[in-house]
Amino acid sequence: KAGVTQTPRYLIKTRGQQVTLSCSPISGHRSVSWYQQTPGQGLQFLFEYFSETQRNKGNFPGRFSGRQFSNSRSEMNVSTLELGDSALYLCASCRDRGLVETQYFGPGTRLLVL
Amino acid sequence: DQQVKQNSPSLSVQEGRISILNCDYTNSMFDYFLWYKKYPAEGPTFLISISSIKDKNEDGRFTVFLNKSAKHLSLHIVPSQPGDSAVYFCAASDSNYQLIWGAGTKLIIKP
Repeated sequence: KAGVTQTPRYLIKTRGQQVTLSCSPISGHRSVSWYQQTPGQGLQFLFEYFSETQRNKGNFPGRFSGRQFSNSRSEMNVSTLELGDSALYLCASCRDRGLVETQYFGPGTRLLVL
Repeated sequence: DQQVKQNSPSLSVQEGRISILNCDYTNSMFDYFLWYKKYPAEGPTFLISISSIKDKNEDGRFTVFLNKSAKHLSLHIVPSQPGDSAVYFCAASDSNYQLIWGAGTKLIIKP
């Protein structure tokens, strides 16, 4: 069974630009969560999607948005990029909501904003 | 305000000895706690968990202890092996299934 895949793996953008990151969950998984990881801050929860609906949202500005498609693939968009958005963005999928132990993470997309 | 804290950014332990990683939390509503392990260039992988109704959970070389009164949990690895060298994250779950993560502790196992 293929794992969680994230594209692209690395990305360099400049301030003010926007970026879209993609996450393909494990086949059969309907819940997709996004996290931002920065040094010294651990993982910060961005949002969770389940059955194409955002079910949970972390404390991030409206510049961060996402969506989920009918095949459970998810995209995350960050508009008007700031230097502080440089981070590793991780996507995790699980079969159903609440099954945090069986949440599988992708390798992440490393975003650098110049 | 960090609700989950891992105060040791790094820890170095001799191979074969016990590794003890600590985690403190502030929110008494957390009802589930998890430890994840992360290697470079990979996403975190689930290691072990504990419910707030228990005070200990064991899985092979890994044991997690929970002290609710102190709002403290710890992960014990015995014996430590070179492959255990990684970053360990503590995370807590609330009723909304949202995971709140600590900043991580880098464990280095010396041969």
